[in-house]
Amino acid sequence: ETGVTQTPRHLVMGMTNKKSLKCEQHLGHNAMYWYKQSAKKPLELMFVYSLEERVENNSVPSRFSPECPNSSHLFLHLHTLQPEDSALYLCASSQVWGAPTYEQYFGPGTRLTVT
Amino acid sequence: DAKTTQPPSMDCAEGRAANLPCNHSTISGNEYVYWYRQIHSQGPQYIIHGLKNNETNEMASLIITEDRKSSTLILPHATLRDTAVYYCIVRVSETGANNLFFGTGTRLTVIP
Repeated sequence: ETGVTQTPRHLVMGMTNKKSLKCEQHLGHNAMYWYKQSAKKPLELMFVYSLEERVENNSVPSRFSPECPNSSHLFLHLHTLQPEDSALYLCASSQVWGAPTYEQYFGPGTRLTVT
Repeated sequence: DAKTTQPPSMDCAEGRAANLPCNHSTISGNEYVYWYRQIHSQGPQYIIHGLKNNETNEMASLIITEDRKSSTLILPHATLRDTAVYYCIVRVSETGANNLFFGTGTRLTVIP
């Protein structure tokens, strides 16, 4: 148990659906992250939020829309996804963004399958 | 960020020390060496990090060579639960460059 929870743990959705992934951290951290891990590929950083402001957007398609309503919650809204978007989506948090001595704590991930 | 090179896989007998090497020959003076691991289908877990000196915590030891071009993660008494993919990452120290860039890591299999 890392103090970062993600729901749902598994999600199957059609290409025309709209769904949201939720992440919550109970660590009092100020930075939160979304990563994507496709089969047989390294983790890819998608978005970074620091103090509820988006500070990184790594060329992610607009069908992925993040939201950070407060420093404890992070959402990833999904719409009109493609089958190649099937992956493990991981949320992480760290005490501070921009300081390399602070490690990131990861949630268990949401396994997304797009049909 | 400096690139890291790790062997794709290693085996270790249960109860023995697991020594996982990492080359980072292009590392610069302000880059930290981080180790994470990922047990199958779970999120990565932080293990340890260091800049110049060797480090030890309750999980592992990190040995960094004097020239900082390579490091070794040591799990002193490997258990079956240590079977995972281990990632060596280098991170710059400037503000705003805090991101982790994961490579393909080393798949460690602990054998009974």
